[in-house]
Amino acid sequence: GAVVSQHPSWVICKSGTSVKIECRSLDFQATTMFWYRQFPKQSLMLMATSNEGSKATYEQGVEKDKFLINHASLTLSTLTVTSAHPEDSSFYICSAINRRSYTFGSGTRLTVV
Amino acid sequence: DAKTTQPPSMDCAEGRAANLPCNHSTISGNEYVYWYRQIHSQGPQYIIHGLKNNETNEMASLIITEDRKSSTLILPHATLRDTAVYYCIVSEIQGAQKLVFGQGTRLTINP
Repeated sequence: GAVVSQHPSWVICKSGTSVKIECRSLDFQATTMFWYRQFPKQSLMLMATSNEGSKATYEQGVEKDKFLINHASLTLSTLTVTSAHPEDSSFYICSAINRRSYTFGSGTRLTVV
Repeated sequence: DAKTTQPPSMDCAEGRAANLPCNHSTISGNEYVYWYRQIHSQGPQYIIHGLKNNETNEMASLIITEDRKSSTLILPHATLRDTAVYYCIVSEIQGAQKLVFGQGTRLTINP
């Protein structure tokens, strides 16, 4: 079946630094990928839609300069959290469309200290 | 905004069938009904999806009403490992439409 690999699974960083999260489709090509954020006891909130070779589309209220998305190939999308602050601590999850279903990565737990 | 409505929580006894309802009264003709579940601190896991016919796979069955305004996910013999948050989502995948999650149903399987 379709597999989406997300790396790292968890990361701790200092406030003010940047963190990059990778999302790879392992056995299929993903023209479109999605990035979500999930706070404790809440549902997944869509942050942005990532399209290969073009600029990402951000949801309302998501700062595009803070959450940089790059989708340079059909199998890789990256999310960079720039100048991270404690309030950016969250569970970040990516997803890719594979034929007729959406496949999700295992998520990245970001803790900013 | 999510286009689906689900009960916030449900309980089911181990070994019994778990029936999770979902209302999607504004679903459009090209939108599929997807079910995912999320176990704590993991990414959502695909369960099943359908357009208008009932569907069954090794994990579950999906019953969609004739008017497509609601559906039910059935886990035929629930186990403790089925304890999770279950999300019902409608989306038109052909248009690479984004999946918008509602609050889901927290299903607890009791021994």
